[in-house]
Amino acid sequence: GNSVTQMEGPVTLSEEAFLTINCTYTATGYPSLFWYVQYPGEGLQLLLKATKADDKGSNKGFEATYRKETTSFHLEKGSVQVSDSAVYFCALTPSSNTGKLIFGQGTTLQVKP
Amino acid sequence: NAGVTQTPKFRVLKTGQSMTLLCAQDMNHEYMYWYRQDPGMGLRLIHYSVGEGTTAKGEVPDGYNVSRLKKQNFLLGLESAAPSQTSVYFCASSRGGGPSYEQYFGPGTRLTVT
Repeated sequence: GNSVTQMEGPVTLSEEAFLTINCTYTATGYPSLFWYVQYPGEGLQLLLKATKADDKGSNKGFEATYRKETTSFHLEKGSVQVSDSAVYFCALTPSSNTGKLIFGQGTTLQVKP
Repeated sequence: NAGVTQTPKFRVLKTGQSMTLLCAQDMNHEYMYWYRQDPGMGLRLIHYSVGEGTTAKGEVPDGYNVSRLKKQNFLLGLESAAPSQTSVYFCASSRGGGPSYEQYFGPGTRLTVT
């Protein structure tokens, strides 16, 4: 079946540190991959996505590359800010058009000044 | 343009009571979804709809019913609430079902069943 596994949190970093949140997936066919972010008290927002192997999604300084050979989609940012503190979810949608998203368990990031 | 709104924001139910959660979107989206979010488990799809008058089961549909009588509204019903349904419920909508269509999420409803 389809599943997404994220690194355990919480992740605590100092401002301007480098961020990596690991995400690996299991899927049949050719899924699309996403990172969503949830700020405190809010719903989820799409952060970035990649729809085929070797695609790189990027937004707001965050990047992730779709690696089919390692079934991974790790999230990176070169210099985090306090405002990046949130919960980050990796997700996939199978190669169909139902729109169904399968989420990882989420990783909490706390950035300290 | 309010996007996706959810009513109510908070609710406490006793075991066996019923309630309906309302999701409304003003973006003329065809697809709508209900998810539940539990600690350490991410979001799981309960039911979804690919258009007015249609519904389909997601990953965890047991104990829930849904209706999509109007394109802009998607209702989630709990007929006989159980403590296992204590969760945060999120509604989402999208213009289409393919990966190029972003899902827009509401702010959530926090439900506690005692």
